[in-house]
Amino acid sequence: FMLAQPHSLSESPGKTITISCVRSSGSIASNFVQWYQQRPGSAPKTVIFNDEQRPFGVPDRFSGSIDSSSNSASLTISRLKTDDEATYYCQSYDDTNQIFGGGTKLTVL
Amino acid sequence: EVQLVESGGDLVKTGGSLRLSCLVSGLTFSNTWMSWVRQAPGKGLEWIGRIKSKSDGETTDYPAPVKGRFTISREDSKDTVYLQLDGLTAEDTAVYYCTTGGWTNFYWGQGTLVTVSS
Repeated sequence: FMLAQPHSLSESPGKTITISCVRSSGSIASNFVQWYQQRPGSAPKTVIFNDEQRPFGVPDRFSGSIDSSSNSASLTISRLKTDDEATYYCQSYDDTNQIFGGGTKLTVL
Repeated sequence: EVQLVESGGDLVKTGGSLRLSCLVSGLTFSNTWMSWVRQAPGKGLEWIGRIKSKSDGETTDYPAPVKGRFTISREDSKDTVYLQLDGLTAEDTAVYYCTTGGWTNFYWGQGTLVTVSS
């Protein structure tokens, strides 16, 4: 299966944005979804794991969810800061492989 | 604090080989499944394989694009995972990251750059 993300999004500081990740086949609920944040020139960092769990140290402005009706996962970032500007990748897996979405470049301005 | 430090990236000729290393600290390495993920210049993330812990059989899995050319191994006594790259082509030019986990990638290293050129 594939994971489809919007190529880019932009929003203003202080606002809320939601990034979608649509699974092409099979149920989104079948396998956990993770979200990674990658700032320019840096390694990726986990911001959401197991659909909705936040690693220690990730602010609660970041939240994850899945929606079986649209077969998609979502990453919501509230109270946007300029520091949130990054590319965000969703990731899941099938019986053998890990699968990444193509990434969403978020601009905060 | 968990740290993953990759090394071994270099400029290599088409058809050549390279071995990358990833030293892990801050967790019980022997119990940890490990993965490698790469990122070509200006592109997205691509998973290139995993190795399970010794207690889970130390087996490996690879996606089709690298199966038969890349080999992951581990040395628990050195808290290190390796990625052997053989038969390299220009399409293998990328930053290579090691990560913790087999189905997910919780912790990431800083990456090491492999450049393949004729």
